[in-house]
Amino acid sequence: GDSVTQMEGPVTLSEEAFLTINCTYTATGYPSLFWYVQYPGEGLQLLLKATKADDKGSNKGFEATYRKETTSFHLEKGSVQVSDSAVYFCALSETSYDKVIFGPGTSLSVIP
Amino acid sequence: GAGVSQSPSNKVTEKGKDVELRCDPISGHTALYWYRQRLGQGLEFLIYFQGNSAPDKSGLPSDRFSAERTGESVSTLTIQRTQQEDSAVYLCASSFASRGTDTQYFGPGTRLTVL
Repeated sequence: GDSVTQMEGPVTLSEEAFLTINCTYTATGYPSLFWYVQYPGEGLQLLLKATKADDKGSNKGFEATYRKETTSFHLEKGSVQVSDSAVYFCALSETSYDKVIFGPGTSLSVIP
Repeated sequence: GAGVSQSPSNKVTEKGKDVELRCDPISGHTALYWYRQRLGQGLEFLIYFQGNSAPDKSGLPSDRFSAERTGESVSTLTIQRTQQEDSAVYLCASSFASRGTDTQYFGPGTRLTVL
């Protein structure tokens, strides 16, 4: 079945460092890909998404490019801030059904 | 407008008791989803509603779990004869349409602890 794999955390970075969180997926069709973020004490919220190959999703300085050839959707940010500390979830959804499959999440802590 | 709300925010119960968790989706959202998040793990899909019908119940872990939805409004997730392994955060999400590609908006969750 479909699945999502993420790099294990926790990840600790200094402010202004470059961030990469790796995400790879397994799917039978052509899924849409998502990054969700959960800030401390808050609910999950969509960070960015891409619906087809080579699409780049971007939001709040974060970017991820849908790479069909490597089945990846790595999350990147050029300069992280303390306020980016959160748990990040990579996810996919096939267009043929309706549930979203989530990865296990990667905890990010950014220190001043 | 108001987001997805869930109640209670926390629930502590004894093993063997029944619990009911409630979700109020965003007004106008036809699709509603329940997920479970165990400590340190990712989200586990439980059930999905389109309107008040449930086309996909594949994630319900056992027959102790059931859910219903009234029209395109409130949903309740019921766990009967709770077990300690049911302890988790139960998340509800809603979206405007039934396709998984549409953005899902999540509630804050209900933290269930079974003693």
